[in-house]
Amino acid sequence: DAGVIQSPRHEVTEMGQEVTLRCKPISGHDYLFWYRQTMMRGLELLIYFNNNVPIDDSGMPEDRFSAKMPNASFSTLKIQPSEPRDSAVYFCASSIGTGGNEKLFFGSGTQLSVL
Amino acid sequence: TQLLEQSPQFLSIQEGENLTVYCNSSSVFSSLQWYRQEPGEGPVLLVTVVTGGEVKKLKRLTFQFGDARKDSSLHITAAQPGDTGLYLCAGSETSGSRLTFGEGTQLTVNP
Repeated sequence: DAGVIQSPRHEVTEMGQEVTLRCKPISGHDYLFWYRQTMMRGLELLIYFNNNVPIDDSGMPEDRFSAKMPNASFSTLKIQPSEPRDSAVYFCASSIGTGGNEKLFFGSGTQLSVL
Repeated sequence: TQLLEQSPQFLSIQEGENLTVYCNSSSVFSSLQWYRQEPGEGPVLLVTVVTGGEVKKLKRLTFQFGDARKDSSLHITAAQPGDTGLYLCAGSETSGSRLTFGEGTQLTVNP
């Protein structure tokens, strides 16, 4: 299995532009998570899905952030409009089940820079 | 306020030395995990501990879960440059709840 695949690896954009991050989870995994990692705040959970349905989006910072999972093999995280403080590494992860004992498989992340 | 406090934040040692990093909380966790993250990559799970007092060994790495299930430690014996990375602990307060990550300990092992 290729693991969790994220694209793009790097994104540089200007403030105000729309940014779309993409994720393909591991086949057969029923949970998908979007995390954001910064030096100041560490790894923060933004939103997670179970069987393509959003379960908890309380970590999404503002209405400028939205996430979708149209099918079991694809998810997007969109920021519109983007701001410099959104600069971070965004990770997608997938797992079978969620209960604290599950193994999270992370993608390699998207390094986002908003100028 | 971080639910999980990791210490130290940064640690730089020479190859062959031993080290211990800590993960502490005022909350009780049903389980706790340790991940290692290398530059440019996502975190990779090393171990999950679920029982208070549990000790798990993974080659030169020894993981311990506190008796009260509020803290954990990771001990590395004879560290090697390949051990360099960000070590993250993550806990689940109740079965079925999502994981909360600590801010991590950045370890550098110099040859």
